Amino acid sequence: DVKVTQSSRYLVKRTGEKVFLECVQDMDHENMFWYRQDPGLGLRLIYFSYDVKMKEKGDIPEGYSVSREKKERFSLILESASTNQTSMYLCASSPADRVREKLFFGSGTQLSVL
Amino acid sequence: GQQLNQSPQSMFIQEGEDVSMNCTSSSIFNTWLWYKQDPGEGPVLLIALYKAGELTSNGRLTAQFGITRKDSFLNISASIPSDVGIYFCAGLQGAQKLVFGQGTRLTINP
Repeated sequence: DVKVTQSSRYLVKRTGEKVFLECVQDMDHENMFWYRQDPGLGLRLIYFSYDVKMKEKGDIPEGYSVSREKKERFSLILESASTNQTSMYLCASSPADRVREKLFFGSGTQLSVL
Repeated sequence: GQQLNQSPQSMFIQEGEDVSMNCTSSSIFNTWLWYKQDPGEGPVLLIALYKAGELTSNGRLTAQFGITRKDSFLNISASIPSDVGIYFCAGLQGAQKLVFGQGTRLTINP
């Protein structure tokens, strides 16, 4: 089975802290994605990566950055956390050009910024 | 960024009832997808639709790709307690990028 593992299920951070959300996939997928999920807004794409060291901005990249030094790992970084970044964060991966039928999600990280 | 308009946002039904939800967009999509998110988990793909007018079933679930390519529908027949969750539609832009609807939260009274 494909496994997308997010390092933390729940995180509580303070305003201004630097926050790292980690995601690891075990299926050698080229594509990796970070989404944020908010009630009434659905899933919104923050960043995605289609190869090691490659990244593309999604629809809401402001306040976030990403790192992909290894194929299996995709990190989301909040340089200075703010309360409006309190949300559920979902990581996903897929093989290249197979997003439509082979996109797999992790279980999510619920981040609270106080 | 673009979003899809999904409705209803929530549904409260009795076990055994049928469920209908839909998704509309101002843009054309070449692929429509329906996902389900169980509590505490990430979304999982239920049905993928690739052609305008296509009607596809997966057990008690049936989804349709609208003829205009700007909408899609999901029906669940004879609902059971494990159908509880959040259902998302998604449209594929290009080869890699999915645009999601706001989700429909389904609650079932036994």
